[in-house]
Amino acid sequence: EDKVVQSPLSLVVHEGDTVTLNCSYEVTNFRSLLWYKQEKKAPTFLFMLTSSGIEKKSGRLSSILDKKELFSILNITATQTGDSAVYLCAVVDGGTSYGKLTFGQGTILTVHP
Amino acid sequence: ETGVTQTPRHLVMGMTNKKSLKCEQHLGHNAMYWYKQSAKKPLELMFVYSLEERVENNSVPSRFSPECPNSSHLFLHLHTLQPEDSALYLCASSQVVRDSPLHFGNGTRLTVT
Repeated sequence: EDKVVQSPLSLVVHEGDTVTLNCSYEVTNFRSLLWYKQEKKAPTFLFMLTSSGIEKKSGRLSSILDKKELFSILNITATQTGDSAVYLCAVVDGGTSYGKLTFGQGTILTVHP
Repeated sequence: ETGVTQTPRHLVMGMTNKKSLKCEQHLGHNAMYWYKQSAKKPLELMFVYSLEERVENNSVPSRFSPECPNSSHLFLHLHTLQPEDSALYLCASSQVVRDSPLHFGNGTRLTVT
């Protein structure tokens, strides 16, 4: 059974801090890893990672994948209160035609002013 | 507006009621999903429709019954639910091609009394 574990489960920081969120996984037939941000409503897509060692970057957010060690990290630099959310990691099982996702339990990030 | 619209946003129902959740996607996708999000648990995949055919039924109790009349619409029919079914129900859609991320709706917050 596919499995995704995120750490820490929750994190409280102050504006301007840098945070690193972790995601480790076990999947039978790895296709890709995705990061989502959820602020009380719909999870919104952040990154899709398919290759090891290639950093994806969007503004203050960046992410990288290590397919040998089976983990990914999501970095947020110069955090802002608007970064407060639940960050979800998911892996795509390539053994299904539609790309079955297995999600981790999420990391709750709280950024104080 | 996320491109995936869910109604109602909130629903309170008794254990003997019958209700339906509705999802509509405006993205031209050909796969649709129902996920359940309970407190402190990972997102759980319930059903997947790919090209209007149900391809995943993830050991969901029969009191949940999905319906996909076309590629843009998805329903979840509910009857004789239990209090433990109270959760956020998220609809998502994607394109059934390699490396296409899911796009989520805002969810229906269901409370079973």
